Order: sequence, then C-alpha cells, then structure tokens
Amino acid sequence: EVQLVESGGDLVQPGGSLRLSCAASGFTFSIYWMVWVRQAPGRGLEWVANIKPDGSEAYYVDSVKGRFTMSRDNAKNSLYLQMNSLRAEDTAVFYCVREGGGLGAFDIWGQGTVVTVSS
Amino acid sequence: DIVMTQSPDSLAVSLGERATISCKSSQSVLYNSNNKNFLAWYQQKPGQPPKLLIYWSSTRVSGVPDRFSGSGSGTDFTLTISSLQAEDVAVYYCQQYYNTPLFTFGQGTKLEIK
Repeated sequence: EVQLVESGGDLVQPGGSLRLSCAASGFTFSIYWMVWVRQAPGRGLEWVANIKPDGSEAYYVDSVKGRFTMSRDNAKNSLYLQMNSLRAEDTAVFYCVREGGGLGAFDIWGQGTVVTVSS
Repeated sequence: DIVMTQSPDSLAVSLGERATISCKSSQSVLYNSNNKNFLAWYQQKPGQPPKLLIYWSSTRVSGVPDRFSGSGSGTDFTLTISSLQAEDVAVYYCQQYYNTPLFTFGQGTKLEIK
C-alpha cells in the first residue's frame, strides 16, 4: 500500500524550532518530487516547499524562505522539514505529499501532523 | 505568482441536483507544447487530508465516480458534480501546477446539502 506517515508535530514557542519527518512506503520514493503542504486552522491549503527526487534542490514559498529547510534521505525513504524561527502564523497541519510524476498534481497525501506555535 | 480564485466560497445543493464550482487563474495554465492545462481539483472531507479528484483539468483519477467532471481551458475551469450524493459534502480546491515548482491553490469552496 502506498503510504506517507508524518511525525514530529508539537507545541512550540515562538522563535523555536521543530523538525518534521515523513516516512514513505509502497512506492519507489527516490524517483518522485516530494512536497510539504500546510493548512492553518479553518483555512485553505498552502504549498510550503518541494524537493527534487535526488534532493539536490528545494523550493519554498516566500513566507518560509530562510527559516525552513526541506531535505530527504532516499536510502531511508524519508522526507524532512526543519523549521526554525517559528511564528504564530506557522500554526497548521503539515501534510507530506507526493507529486505524482506524469500526473503533475499531488496524488498521495499523508494524514498530517499538527504544529502549534504559541507561548 | 499565479493567483487562483474560486467561486462561490460556499454552495448548497439538493441531493441529486447538479453542483458547479468555478476556478479562475490570473494567467493561462495551458501549456501550448502539449496542449494540457496544468490544473487539478481536490476534495477534502472534514478531518481528512485532501484527495486528488481530477488532473490535467479533466482527467479523473481512477476510482473517482463519473459524476465528477472537470472542464475548461486557459484561465477558466469548472468542476461539476452531476448528481450530488451525501458523501460529496466537502471542501473542494483547485490548484495550478503550471508554474512548477511554485504551486498555488484556490481558497476552497464548501459544498453542503440544501
């Protein structure tokens, strides 16, 4: 079964750091672009970052540039999002997502992990 | 950035009736070299992650009921549910992936039963 399972979400104070992880299974992880998408409480979907299959380049939405770093370990079928200098507006459910190859769109989503930034 | 605007923000439709959701992009998402529109539709039910319904503006994902259809080209797109079922209550999002690797979603349309 194709599956993405996120972990690492927590309550953190403003200015703090958090590292999210995503474990992939059931498909050849190393050939897919991977994505993080977030959803603030009661709000819509926001693309956060994505990364090439070989991990050589990652791209970020402007609001997280310089604060978030996306990486992957293809040997471990794992995806990561290092989040620093967290702000209240980063509070959201973070989804690990597969960019579906020839589909172009986001075809597999994890269940999400909750990040709450609050003092 | 390409801005995606959906209308309406919310919609109430009777069971068995047609539901139509519009999505407009601030610039064309039609890639002329392959004549494909880089536009997808997602369904998100309460407490669940989004689910891909349609890609390339009109191609249904395997297993998605055929009452769901996507149409449009360039900057104007429509998601139609031909005969609303109770299980279709959800928020629907359009998304452009033309401006890869920078993606944008519409604000969402909440679909309810009248």
